[in-house]
Amino acid sequence: DGGITQSPKYLFRKEGQNVTLSCEQNLNHDAMYWYRQDPGQGLRLIYYSQIVNDFQKGDIAEGYSVSREKKESFPLTVTSAQKNPTAFYLCASSTALTVGELFFGEGSRLTVL
Amino acid sequence: GQQVMQIPQYQHVQEGEDFTTYCNSSTTLSNIQWYKQRPGGHPVFLIQLVKSGEVKKQKRLTFQFGEAKKNSSLHITATQTTDVGTYFCAGIKGSNYKLTFGKGTLLTVNP
Repeated sequence: DGGITQSPKYLFRKEGQNVTLSCEQNLNHDAMYWYRQDPGQGLRLIYYSQIVNDFQKGDIAEGYSVSREKKESFPLTVTSAQKNPTAFYLCASSTALTVGELFFGEGSRLTVL
Repeated sequence: GQQVMQIPQYQHVQEGEDFTTYCNSSTTLSNIQWYKQRPGGHPVFLIQLVKSGEVKKQKRLTFQFGEAKKNSSLHITATQTTDVGTYFCAGIKGSNYKLTFGKGTLLTVNP
């Protein structure tokens, strides 16, 4: 089945450690996104990419980094510079940046101890 | 920056009652999308509205896009327990490709 796979589903890390969240899609979508969701909040855009080897900062990019070396993959690294990293992270993709719906993965819940 | 305000934040209804959530933008939107997120789940696309004054229906759900393309609503007729979840609106302004989400409305339904 086509879809978006995020891993791990749950992750615990100590403060000061970098963490990389995986996002893989087999939908042949050009655009991919990372959102952060906190309780009672909407989804806030961290980074997005519309093509391989290109990505742009979203509204809350500080403390995060991404790469887009392959069309299918858009990993997110939560660095130690992110002051409040505990959150639910959602990866999404769409056929193109300007068109249509977002398809979301099941999310990764990061807890920093 | 572009903001999308959504009200109410929470809504509790008895099964069979109607439910409406409203979305307002400070700027004109080129289109608006609606998503549903079940508890513990991920957002799932419901619909996209593009035209001024557009109204679309999906069974018991009715979606409207305002004439000025600054507001939208989602109305559910005769709620069921399966409607439980958080409903998000998300808008795009012009050539700004970033989809901005409202904070969502959490709907709970008492059977």
